[in-house]
Amino acid sequence: QSALTQPASVSGSPGQSLTISCTGTNSDIGWYNYVSWYQQLPGKAPKYIIYEVSNRPSGVSDRFSGSKSDNTASLTISGLQAGDEADYYCCSYTRNATLVFGSGTTVTV
Amino acid sequence: QITLKESGPTLVKPTQTLTLTCTFSGFSLSTSGMGVGWIRQPPGKALEWLALIYWNDDKPYSPSLKSRLTITKDTSKNQVVLQMTNMDPQDTATYFCVHLAKYLGNTFDVWGQGTMVTVS
Repeated sequence: QSALTQPASVSGSPGQSLTISCTGTNSDIGWYNYVSWYQQLPGKAPKYIIYEVSNRPSGVSDRFSGSKSDNTASLTISGLQAGDEADYYCCSYTRNATLVFGSGTTVTV
Repeated sequence: QITLKESGPTLVKPTQTLTLTCTFSGFSLSTSGMGVGWIRQPPGKALEWLALIYWNDDKPYSPSLKSRLTITKDTSKNQVVLQMTNMDPQDTATYFCVHLAKYLGNTFDVWGQGTMVTVS
């Protein structure tokens, strides 16, 4: 299975919104709504911020939102803050009961 | 509160077998819906999922590494062990142990701190 495709980097100014795409196939992202997103701050372990495409765990800011259309999932960060600078990864459960991560996106504010 | 901690060698030689242990607390791997997995990240590179073991002993592996991986659990000790054979310098990475929650759509909701393994 190939890694899901994400842009290598995206940037925005404080207060703006930005969207990170995550493109897969109909055997992973397009198969079911089991897409999650992770934020990895420099030198830290990743932390999940979105599960099942668009659900936020408690404690995660509502500035983070997720969506999906066909074989592409998206993470939107609104009201960008300096503290949002991090690497972001999508992850999908697959038709074969395995998991696959995206290639990762570095967000610069 | 769920916690996981990885342990194992920091340095292995090429062709050797790597054995990593994940010791966890806050849940039982005999409870329906629970899973523990391994994910790695080479320096400066992306996350890569390696393997999972579920409460019912299902063990999915990364297709590209399946021939080299073995994952086992010891429910009484709250431990999961990952073995990776024929180590190569390209396997140099931080290895994370993770808790998977099926009730969260197979999401890795808790991560260990990670352990850096160098192959040289």
